[in-house]
Amino acid sequence: QKEVEQNSGPLSVPEGAIASLNCTYSDRGSQSFFWYRQYSGKSPELIMFIYSNGDKEDGRFTAQLNKASQYVSLLIRDSQPSDSATYLCAVSGDSSYKLIFGSGTRLLVRP
Amino acid sequence: GAGVSQSPRYKVAKRGQDVALRCDPISGHVSLFWYQQALGQGPEFLTYFQNEAQLDKSGLPSDRFFAERPEGSVSTLKIQRTQQEDSAVYLCASSSWDSPLGAEAFFGQGTRLTVV
Repeated sequence: QKEVEQNSGPLSVPEGAIASLNCTYSDRGSQSFFWYRQYSGKSPELIMFIYSNGDKEDGRFTAQLNKASQYVSLLIRDSQPSDSATYLCAVSGDSSYKLIFGSGTRLLVRP
Repeated sequence: GAGVSQSPRYKVAKRGQDVALRCDPISGHVSLFWYQQALGQGPEFLTYFQNEAQLDKSGLPSDRFFAERPEGSVSTLKIQRTQQEDSAVYLCASSSWDSPLGAEAFFGQGTRLTVV
């Protein structure tokens, strides 16, 4: 079992819809959780990070964390074609500085 | 510089050749990371520097991989006797001292290494 699991997708949503991206992790001791966006051929770009259970909102993005279920999600409201990218979930392990990434979910927003 | 700079952007190496990949982090960033990203996968941790000290090299796949950051700024990842399985994008990231490690990690554009 991989330490960080994501559905590879593609997840296809129409423009203006809510896109929901999910991630599960295996290490209960994980403390910090990150969502990165990666356009094809580009480097990962940090979108959100979350440390505490519950929701964290930033503009059109909401990160949700449930440590009991070892589950973290990213909601994108009012999805735009420019949101089409691969979204990487990352978790910091015991050593805190080391990010463990999932394989990413490819999101496609249809105009 | 304005961001993390990596060079070369693309490198084609013949199997058995040695390569050196360069990372120029954001000025003043204490922490520097190297990750390897295979096609269709997420980045995988290779090694971590705090200033010039290499504090973690547990992710380096074999003793053919070597990284250094002698003056606590520019870093070089060297791969000796390259093999086809080394083909990947090598990403460098840096972050500042007082941020939660990883939360403010800025990635460079990467070096795409193809071993033929």
